[in-house]
Amino acid sequence: QKEVEQDPGPLSVPEGAIVSLNCTYSNSAFQYFMWYRQYSRKGPELLMYTYSSGNKEDGRFTAQVDKSSKYISLFIRDSQPSDSATYLCAMSDPGGGNKLTFGTGTQLKVEL
Amino acid sequence: NAGVTQTPKFRILKIGQSMTLQCTQDMNHNYMYWYRQDPGMGLKLIYYSVGAGITDKGEVPNGYNVSRSTTEDFPLRLELAAPSQTSVYFCASKAGGADTQYFGPGTRLTVL
Repeated sequence: QKEVEQDPGPLSVPEGAIVSLNCTYSNSAFQYFMWYRQYSRKGPELLMYTYSSGNKEDGRFTAQVDKSSKYISLFIRDSQPSDSATYLCAMSDPGGGNKLTFGTGTQLKVEL
Repeated sequence: NAGVTQTPKFRILKIGQSMTLQCTQDMNHNYMYWYRQDPGMGLKLIYYSVGAGITDKGEVPNGYNVSRSTTEDFPLRLELAAPSQTSVYFCASKAGGADTQYFGPGTRLTVL
């Protein structure tokens, strides 16, 4: 079993839709959770960061963490074509040597 | 502020050739990382460094070497290129005490 599981997609939605992207993990030591966005042929860029269970909102984006279920989500409201990218979840634990464990990424396409 | 820069952007190597992928960051970050990204496989950690003069292996170090003589630079060396090393390589850095990593634009390497 992989430490972090992420549905690879591809996911195609119409403009304006609400998008839900998810990751599950098996290592209960993970305490810090991130979502990176990666446009085609570019490096990943940090989108959201959280370290506690619950929701964190930033504009159209909401990151949700449920540590009891070992499940994290990223919601995108009012999705735009510019949101078309691959979304990678990443997580780390305090004793993990400052390393991140990444999901495989979900490819999202928002269509006009 | 340039952030993390990588050179070259693209490279084609023949089997058995060697090359160095360059990575430089101007954020005075102690931690630096090398990843490879294969289609559908997410990011795999090759090597990382917690400061000048200190390096350690990641998940997939075979066939690669690194050095860290300065805070700014973290080159990745391929000694005997193999087709299995065809991939996109990303360098990242982060500050001590932080969890978020900042990525470079990547080097797209093909070994034929």
